[in-house]
Amino acid sequence: DQQVKQNSPSLSVQEGRISILNCDYTNSMFDYFLWYKKYPAEGPTFLISISSIKDKNEDGRFTVFLNKSAKHLSLHIVPSQPGDSAVYFCAAEYFTGGGNKLTFGTGTQLKVEL
Amino acid sequence: DTAVSQTPKYLVTQMGNDKSIKCEQNLGHDTMYWYKQDSKKFLKIMFSYNNKELIINETVPNRFSPKSPDKAHLNLHINSLELGDSAVYFCASSLAGAQTQYFGPGTRLLVL
Repeated sequence: DQQVKQNSPSLSVQEGRISILNCDYTNSMFDYFLWYKKYPAEGPTFLISISSIKDKNEDGRFTVFLNKSAKHLSLHIVPSQPGDSAVYFCAAEYFTGGGNKLTFGTGTQLKVEL
Repeated sequence: DTAVSQTPKYLVTQMGNDKSIKCEQNLGHDTMYWYKQDSKKFLKIMFSYNNKELIINETVPNRFSPKSPDKAHLNLHINSLELGDSAVYFCASSLAGAQTQYFGPGTRLLVL
């Protein structure tokens, strides 16, 4: 039962263009959403997050949009750079009373081409 | 000045052996986690400790036993290793109640 889904396993974008990575979730209890970036042989690195009470959060080239009614969020990267090539994981969280538990999607491999 | 470190980075062992993976964080966090990334790249939480106390324990076989000697360390001991235990194991840490978790580089375990 996968509660967080990233339906595109890969995405290829030209340098300078916009990259849009998508994520869908099923659990209405999630109250916080995060995007992580992962290079090969390294751990996931936190990129940007958004609370469920907001619909947009921006940090430099990265913007995350949340559509609660559709249970959908997206990460926009503009302009895309070759160094952005990595696997991007969407994660969702709710406080369980005992701690914060991250539920991850399966990731989208982004390739930014010159 | 690595924030979250894990040792070893690679671990190759025979089925039936017992092995440990160590994790240390120097971020001053009080909550630490273990995640498993399987062959399908699915990253799933296994355990969480807050101030040396177990707070999240997912449906993990009891061959896996986490141990937290202090709040900066969370080790994972695995008994009677099985082929299906082959995966990448990530340690993470956060401030108590904080949403953002910081991950280590991972330990690649291969059981033959």
